[in-house]
Amino acid sequence: DGGITQSPKYLFRKEGQNVTLSCEQNLNHDAMYWYRQDPGQGLRLIYYSQIVNDFQKGDIAEGYSVSREKKESFPLTVTSAQKNPTAFYLCASSINADPLGAFFGQGTRLTVV
Amino acid sequence: SQELEQSPQSLIVQEGKNLTINCTSSKTLYGLYWYKQKYGEGLIFLMMLQKGGEEKSHEKITAKLDEKKQQSSLHITASQPSHAGIYLCGADTSNQFYFGTGTSLTVIP
Repeated sequence: DGGITQSPKYLFRKEGQNVTLSCEQNLNHDAMYWYRQDPGQGLRLIYYSQIVNDFQKGDIAEGYSVSREKKESFPLTVTSAQKNPTAFYLCASSINADPLGAFFGQGTRLTVV
Repeated sequence: SQELEQSPQSLIVQEGKNLTINCTSSKTLYGLYWYKQKYGEGLIFLMMLQKGGEEKSHEKITAKLDEKKQQSSLHITASQPSHAGIYLCGADTSNQFYFGTGTSLTVIP
C-alpha cells in the first residue's frame, strides 16, 4: 500500500539535544513538506523540497534542518537552537509543487523536557 | 495576522445538530481545500473548491465557496460523534499557500 509514514508517533527529548524525525513515502512524489502544528495556529511550513538534493526554507525554518538525499525520505532535525520545540510535526508529500493537494503522514508529537 | 481566518475556533454540539464552520480571506482564493484531522493524527482531504459559487457535498458534509471567492463554509448536517475532530481549510492565494487556524469540533452523544 502506498503512503507516507512518520516515525516515531511520540518522541521525548531532553532540552539541548538534537532530535531527528523520520518521514518516508512510497508514493513516488517529488515534493515533500514539513509542518509544525500548534494549538490555534494551524499549520506552519518549516521546510519543503521539490526535488532530491534540494530544499527550501519555509516560514519558520530557524532551529530546524532537513536533508533530501533520497526521493523517498525527508528527515527533519530539530536542533537545540529551536526555542520552543515541543509541538506536533506533520510531514506531507505531493506529486507536484502543490502543498494543498498533499498526502499527510500521521504526525509526530515531540515533547522536550 | 493570519491569511486564513477560521471561525469558530472550537465548537461543541449535540449529536444530530447541524453546524457551520467558516474560512475567510482578504484575498481571492484560487483553490480552497477542506481537511479533517483526528486528534493527534494527520490531515485527511475532504473537498476542493475552485469556482465562485461552487458547492460540493460528501455524505453529510457540504462545502461552499462564495461568489467573490474570499469565503468558504463547511456545513455538517445531523452531526455524529464520528464527525469530531479538527477541520482545517487550506487555500492558494496567487501561488501563496496557507492553512487556516483550525476549528475543533466536539460532538456530544
